[in-house]
Amino acid sequence: EVQLVESGGGLVQPGGSLRLSCVVSGFFVSSDYMSWVRQAPGKGLEWVSGIHSGGKTYYTDSVKGRFTISRQNRKHTLYFEMNTLRVEDTAVYYCARGRPLERRGQQFYYMDVWGKGTTVTVSS
Amino acid sequence: SDVLTQPPSVSVAPGQTATITCGGSTIGGEGVHWYQQKPGQAPVVVVYDDSDRPSGIPERFSGSHSGNTATLTISRVEAGDEADYYCQVWYSSSDQGVVFGGGTKLTVL
Repeated sequence: EVQLVESGGGLVQPGGSLRLSCVVSGFFVSSDYMSWVRQAPGKGLEWVSGIHSGGKTYYTDSVKGRFTISRQNRKHTLYFEMNTLRVEDTAVYYCARGRPLERRGQQFYYMDVWGKGTTVTVSS
Repeated sequence: SDVLTQPPSVSVAPGQTATITCGGSTIGGEGVHWYQQKPGQAPVVVVYDDSDRPSGIPERFSGSHSGNTATLTISRVEAGDEADYYCQVWYSSSDQGVVFGGGTKLTVL
């Protein structure tokens, strides 16, 4: 069974750091596109970052330079290192697997499996 | 970044058909996906690539896409369909930009 389990969330002061983990089972973390998606309290979904099976990484503008996505294949784990946290980073953070599709010779994805999420609260 | 516009809310009586739209000036040639999110739960994909349905999703859920508007249609709505629904586009030609719509709250009367 394909499963994703996030951990590492918590309460942190503005300017602080956290590292989220997402342990995957039923597939290899390096074989698929993996994403982090967040949801602020009472708000909608926001894609934050992704890592392609080839290793290339992607970030939304608001977290570039502050957050880093990575993976460790031996541990079947996706990571999200979050530094210089801001109040507006407060959210539930989900990891999700991307399944590939192709259109006009370009590859794109949809998120077929999601974890239950881990809550990050940035507050003084 | 690109904007996907959804109605904030849609209400429908049980047994009727719910229609949720997703509009955007740049979605014309892109595949649109739809996710259902119930309170306190993670999102679940109900339609991908405009109109494909994952295994386990009832046939009552269908999608279509014409020009700059994609549509999620839920036929014979049930109380259990009450949830937030989000459209999403993966812009493969723009440095992997991934955009979600603002979400639509479906209320079953």
